[in-house]
Order: sequence, then structure tokens, then C-alpha cells
Amino acid sequence: DAKTTQPNSMESNEEEPVHLPCNHSTISGTDYIHWYRQLPSQGPEYVIHGLTSNVNNRMASLAIAEDRKSSTLILHRATLRDAAVYYCIHSGGGADGLTFGKGTHLIIQP
Amino acid sequence: NAGVTQTPKFQVLKTGQSMTLQCAQDMNHEYMSWYRQDPGMGLRLIHYSVGAGITDQGEVPNGYNVSRSTTEDFPLRLLSAAPSQTSVYFCASSYTGASGNTIYFGEGSWLTVV
Repeated sequence: DAKTTQPNSMESNEEEPVHLPCNHSTISGTDYIHWYRQLPSQGPEYVIHGLTSNVNNRMASLAIAEDRKSSTLILHRATLRDAAVYYCIHSGGGADGLTFGKGTHLIIQP
Repeated sequence: NAGVTQTPKFQVLKTGQSMTLQCAQDMNHEYMSWYRQDPGMGLRLIHYSVGAGITDQGEVPNGYNVSRSTTEDFPLRLLSAAPSQTSVYFCASSYTGASGNTIYFGEGSWLTVV
């Protein structure tokens, strides 16, 4: 079973912010929270990851709840190229690998 | 910088045939892994390796063998292909297997077993 819970799909308009939620209530204290995205017919692509503090990079921001049981990926200004399946994963590394659920299918309307 | 390279990109096999999916990375990563993705599903871990000479099983290892003779290469072997192995296969690598490392994926190998 997937260890995270995400909405099956979300829709947003181009050039608007997008907030993608994820619940990970079984996360352990040393697990990092990762977000990957997968464009059609491509391999997953790293977006962002964090442990406890909020994180920012050129692609997105990651807001982590204080109890770490949930997180939100924020795309500040969505473009059509951001249309993809977004996976939220928490991982202890090694044998755990990355356990992918079905992710959130993000649809961007022009 | 090639990153993670997989070959072939597409392959059709007959039931019972064997084949090897090749994976190579040029980032000097210790950790490499293979995933499969069935239609509409997330990725599932098949096998992984934490370094040359060391391999271990993931979530769905049955029907697949791996070896890691060099840091760069991590081939996945199907000894006797079955229709249930029709899937898209992704090879991945990271600096180590630690949970905070970024994982880099190849572009995928589409396999059909008839």
C-alpha cells in the first residue's frame, strides 16, 4: 500500500499558483519528504525534498506541517509545461527505495 | 552529461524469451535501482544495489535478476518473459541510498511480452 495520500487529480489555470497537498501520517522521524513529477512518456523528475523546514528551489516550494504528517507542494506560477503527475513520497532510503502511489494528475488550463 | 541511460527504449518479446535491459550512469553514483510502472500506476521497486558487487530485492523481484559488476552499470535480466512483465521499466541512481539523496531516473524502457 502507498504510504502517502494525494488527490487523484487537480486542475488549475495557467499563471496561477497551485497547491498540491499530501498526507503522510506514518512518516518516521528520519524520513525525508520527496516530490517528483512525471511528464507523459518520461521518467520521474526530481522536484524538491525536505525534512522539517520549508524548502524553496527554482521549481517550487515545499511547506511541511509542524507535525510532519502532511506537506504541500507549491508551484508559484503554473505553466502548461507543469502539467504532469506529481508524486509525494517519504523515504527512509536504502531498501525502502521510493514507494510511489498513484500521485496527483495536475491539469493546467490555458 | 548523459545522466542515466537505458537501452533499449522499446522491445517486444515472445513468452519464454530472455533479454537484458541495460542501464548505465555517468555520475559515479553508488546507489542504483530498477522500477516497473504498469498503466495508471505508480512505480514499484524491483531490485536495487548500494554499490558494486551488492544487490538486493525490492517489492516485486520475482522473474528478474540483476548484477552490479561495476559502479556504472546495472543490467536487469528477464530469464523467461511472461505477459505479466509487460510494463515500462525505469532505472534510477543516486549518490547513496540515504533518504535525503536526489534520485535520477532514466527515460524508460517500454517492454511488451506477447
